[in-house]
Amino acid sequence: DAGITQSPRHKVTETGTPVTLRCHQTENHRYMYWYRQDPGHGLRLIHYSYGVKDTDKGEVSDGYSVSRSKTEDFLLTLESATSSQTSVYFCAISGGEKLFFGSGTQLSVL
Amino acid sequence: AQSVTQPDIHITVSEGASLELRCNYSYGATPYLFWYVQSPGQGLQLLLKYFSGDTLVQGIKGFEAEFKRSQSSFNLRKPSVHWSDAAEYFCAVGAKEYGNKLVFGAGTILRVKS
Repeated sequence: DAGITQSPRHKVTETGTPVTLRCHQTENHRYMYWYRQDPGHGLRLIHYSYGVKDTDKGEVSDGYSVSRSKTEDFLLTLESATSSQTSVYFCAISGGEKLFFGSGTQLSVL
Repeated sequence: AQSVTQPDIHITVSEGASLELRCNYSYGATPYLFWYVQSPGQGLQLLLKYFSGDTLVQGIKGFEAEFKRSQSSFNLRKPSVHWSDAAEYFCAVGAKEYGNKLVFGAGTILRVKS
C-alpha cells in the first residue's frame, strides 16, 4: 500500500470552530488531493496540490483552505466548521495517473 | 464539464452469478478511466485502469472492464461474484490535461445474496 497517513481518523467538533486535517505521505509524490465523500455524491474534489506551495481549487472548495509547505504534508483547514461539512475526508496522492487513497477522516460537525 | 454517471445506485446479485456495473462519462479530453472499490469503513482500492491500447482491461480479484469510446462507457464485469465482493464501486475519469484530477461517479453499492 502507498504510504499515506491521515490524522485524525475521527473528529467531532462544534459549529464555528476551526479544524485542520493532516495528510502525510512517504512516497515523495508530486500530486496530493483532498476529497470529501458523501452518500449519493461519490467523491468530490476539494483542493489539490501539484507541488510545494502550489495548490488549486476543486469543485467544492468553498469553506476550505489548504497548505503544502513540504512535499510530504498536505493540510486541509475548515476555517469555521459548519454542519454541511460533516463528511468523510480522503487524502490521495499521485505520482502519475493513478491515485492512491488514505484511510479517511470521519468529521462530524455538531 | 467533466462528469461520470453510474446509473445504478444499488445492485443485488446472487453468489456465483455474473455482474456488470455500468459507467458512462462525459469528458473533454482523452480520458484515463478507473474503477475503485470501497469496503465499509475503508479507503478506496484500485481495481483496474485504462489508459490506452487494448480496450479490455483486467484487474484484481477477477474483475475486468471494457472501454467503448463510441458509447462513452467503461463497464465493470465479473463472471462469478463472491460474497466478499459486496462493497461500493466507484468509476472515475481523469486526464493529463486536467492535472490528473479524478472525477468520480456517485457509486454503486453491490449486495451479494447467498
